Amino acid sequence: AQKVTQAQTEISVVEKEDVTLDCVYETRDTTYYLFWYKQPPSGELVFLIRRNSFDEQNEISGRYSWNFQKSTSSFNFTITASQVVDSAVYFCALSDLVMDTGRRALTFGSGTRLQVQP
Amino acid sequence: KAGVTQTPRYLIKTRGQQVTLSCSPISGHRSVSWYQQTPGQGLQFLFEYFSETQRNKGNFPGRFSGRQFSNSRSEMNVSTLELGDSALYLCASSLEQATRTGELFFGEGSRLTVL
Repeated sequence: AQKVTQAQTEISVVEKEDVTLDCVYETRDTTYYLFWYKQPPSGELVFLIRRNSFDEQNEISGRYSWNFQKSTSSFNFTITASQVVDSAVYFCALSDLVMDTGRRALTFGSGTRLQVQP
Repeated sequence: KAGVTQTPRYLIKTRGQQVTLSCSPISGHRSVSWYQQTPGQGLQFLFEYFSETQRNKGNFPGRFSGRQFSNSRSEMNVSTLELGDSALYLCASSLEQATRTGELFFGEGSRLTVL
């Protein structure tokens, strides 16, 4: 099973619609970190948020909000009133301890391409 | 504050050749990680260097190697290039080791095409 699953490969919405990007992760570690990154067409990934496993408080930053639920191993990302500039590929990532190696690893999901139409 | 700088941005090589990519991290950052991004495999971790030492390594063959200098700049090398090595190679820097609590700052990548 994939450690980080982003089941939605591509989403297309019309400007001003709300959109939620799903992320489901799998880990046996008790201390782990979750991230969201945005990759615009220019190619440079941009860090959006980091969450540690002990903090389940949801977070809102402007039009962005994140819903972290340990019970379902999900860390979903919602964009409210989407804009054309939100068009990008969004990656969810997990940092956890790999039992086989004893080292931490940062694993990215396959990404969700969001297209916001004007 | 300057961001992560990768050179060259684009390059074309032929099978069997080797290539060296360079990454200058954000000033003060000691960790540099390398990722390979392809449409089929997504973002795959290559390796991470912290204070000139390789701290972590992904599942890539020995043809992929890297190093970090005392000024934190890093290079990665791919020898005996194969067609499947065509990809966007991304470098990311962070203050601490990437897999701890630090966030990553990515460069724009080096797009390698192998013919």
